[in-house]
Amino acid sequence: EVQLVESGGDLVQPGGSLRLSCAASGFTFSTYWMTWIRQAPGKGLEWVANINQDGAERYYVDSVKGRFTVSRDNAKNSVYLQMNSLRAEDTAVYYCARGPDDDSSAYRSWGQGMLVTVSS
Amino acid sequence: HSALTQPASVSGSPGQSITISCTGTSTYLTDYLYVSWYQQHPGKAPKLIIYEVSNRPSGVSNRFSGSQSGNTASLTISGLQAEDEAYYYCNSYISDNTWVFGGGTKLTVL
Repeated sequence: EVQLVESGGDLVQPGGSLRLSCAASGFTFSTYWMTWIRQAPGKGLEWVANINQDGAERYYVDSVKGRFTVSRDNAKNSVYLQMNSLRAEDTAVYYCARGPDDDSSAYRSWGQGMLVTVSS
Repeated sequence: HSALTQPASVSGSPGQSITISCTGTSTYLTDYLYVSWYQQHPGKAPKLIIYEVSNRPSGVSNRFSGSQSGNTASLTISGLQAEDEAYYYCNSYISDNTWVFGGGTKLTVL
């Protein structure tokens, strides 16, 4: 069974930093793209960033470019999101998701999500 | 402002069919047939229900179907049931390995 477990969510002050982690199991982690998706309170889903299988390719939504960095450690079956210069508008539930999968161009598996709150 | 536009809400009675549209502001829905749909109940993670326009993952009810005409993708739910009440989001590849979600549609089963 595929499992994605996020950790690291917290309350942080504007301008601060936070590192989110997502531990994967139940599949061959090193053969999949991984993606971070967020959802502000009461709002819709927003695609944030993704990373390819070996970490050589990373892509971001414009609103986080230069502030967020996605990375992965295939030996630890984990993907990370380093968030710097945090703003109030970054407050959201952050999900890690497997994909987009080669066989579906979609996100078949999601973590449970974790809340990041940016507030003074 | 999302690059994919969905109606904010739709509603239907049990047993009826409803359709949710997802219109692209550019040509990526026609350039790439990579539209997927997700169902999200309050407080839960989204669940994939349609991928690559019209394909259903294993385990998803055949009451859910997807289609596309030009720059608009559609999700149809037939035989509405109470448990279908949820938010629905479309997602598409846009370019340069970046993706976008629609703004989401709240489905109310009357």
